This record gives sequence, structure tokens and C-alpha cells, in this order.
Amino acid sequence: DIQMTQSPASLSASLEEIVTITCQASQNIGNWLAWYQQKPGKSPQLLIYGTTSLADGVPSRFSGSRSGTQYSLKISRLQVEDIGIYYCQQASSTLTFGSGTKLEIK
Amino acid sequence: QVQLKESGPGLVQPSQTLSLTCTVSGFSLTSNSVSWVRQPPGKGLEWMGAIWSGGSTDYNSALKSRLSISRDTSKSQVFLKMNSLQTEDTAIYFCTRFITTTGGFDYWGQGVMVTVSS
Repeated sequence: DIQMTQSPASLSASLEEIVTITCQASQNIGNWLAWYQQKPGKSPQLLIYGTTSLADGVPSRFSGSRSGTQYSLKISRLQVEDIGIYYCQQASSTLTFGSGTKLEIK
Repeated sequence: QVQLKESGPGLVQPSQTLSLTCTVSGFSLTSNSVSWVRQPPGKGLEWMGAIWSGGSTDYNSALKSRLSISRDTSKSQVFLKMNSLQTEDTAIYFCTRFITTTGGFDYWGQGVMVTVSS
């Protein structure tokens, strides 16, 4: 199975700051990478699919990129409503999720 | 509108079988794939398995020996059965729609908490 190594495990940042979360795939997954946000007590919400495509209704401050087998989620100007846990997920083969990044406001 | 809703027992005894139902609306199971994803308390997401639009299934290799996913398209329902439950199977169980062209899960149910305990 393809492993997705997500970092950092937790992150504390100030409002309006740029935040970056990364996922390293254990092998080539092409652009089959999605990102989710999960708020406490809620189901995950799709943010980005196909590495860079924004899901419907997701603010443009969220963006995704790729360098080789490393994938990144960037929040350009952190807002209070962005707190939660973020997960990457690969769909190149048997589906797997990253371990999650807990994002808090400093 | 697209909706998914999980149902099933909240408590299962160790070594018993878990049976969950996902009732969907707003889309057809013959044109879409549905997966089950679980989340132990305070932990991350684990993909369990999927039933594809054609009716074939795929499973997480770690659960394959215990897990079965099926569906009734006439009732718009997807079923999960997992046997030999242990305490580590305590989790929130979600059903979610997977879009094969994008590789993402675009709609999720609210989840159902299942506790394995005697």
C-alpha cells in the first residue's frame, strides 16, 4: 500500500499568517491527491482534489501544489474558521489517508 | 441534494459482527462509488473499503479478511458487515461518496459512533 507521510502533526499560527502542510507519498501517485478539513464533531470536508483543484465553495486562500512526490496545502491568510484537522488522501491505488495535521490559532 | 446517512447499533459486543447501513439520496449507486471510512476516537481517518458503480468491491488489506461491503440499488443502500470485532474497532464510521474522476470524497454522512464493549 502507498504510505502518505503528513507533517507537521500539529501547527500553531497567527491570524493572516501563511500556513503550509505537506504530505510525502511513498511512491508516484501523479496528481491523485486530495485534501480535507475536519472540524471538531464534524465530518471531513473536501478542500482540494487532483492536487490543485479547489472544491466547490472553498475559499481561494486555500491552494494545493506538488513537487515530485511531495504535496502541499497552503492557506494564504489564516482565518479563525480555518482551525481544525487537515488530512491528505491519495487515490492512485488502494486509498489511503495521511495521519493528519492539527491547526490551531496562536 | 446529495445526502448520505449511516445507521446501525451503537454498541457491539467483542467477537460479534457489526452491520451498518448507508442510505443515500440525490444520486444513483449505479453511477457512483461509496466508501466506508472510520475514525477511532481522537485518531485519524482510515479508509475501509469501497463498492464501485458496477458493483465490484475493494478493501483495505488490513481489514479484508473481516469486511464485506454490499448494496441494494433499489433501496439506495450500501451495507457494511465486519466480523470478529475487537475494542480497537471502536470508532465513528462514515460512508462517503467517491468521485473516480477527481479521486476525492465529495459528500460525507454525519457518521455513526460504534463502541465495542461487553
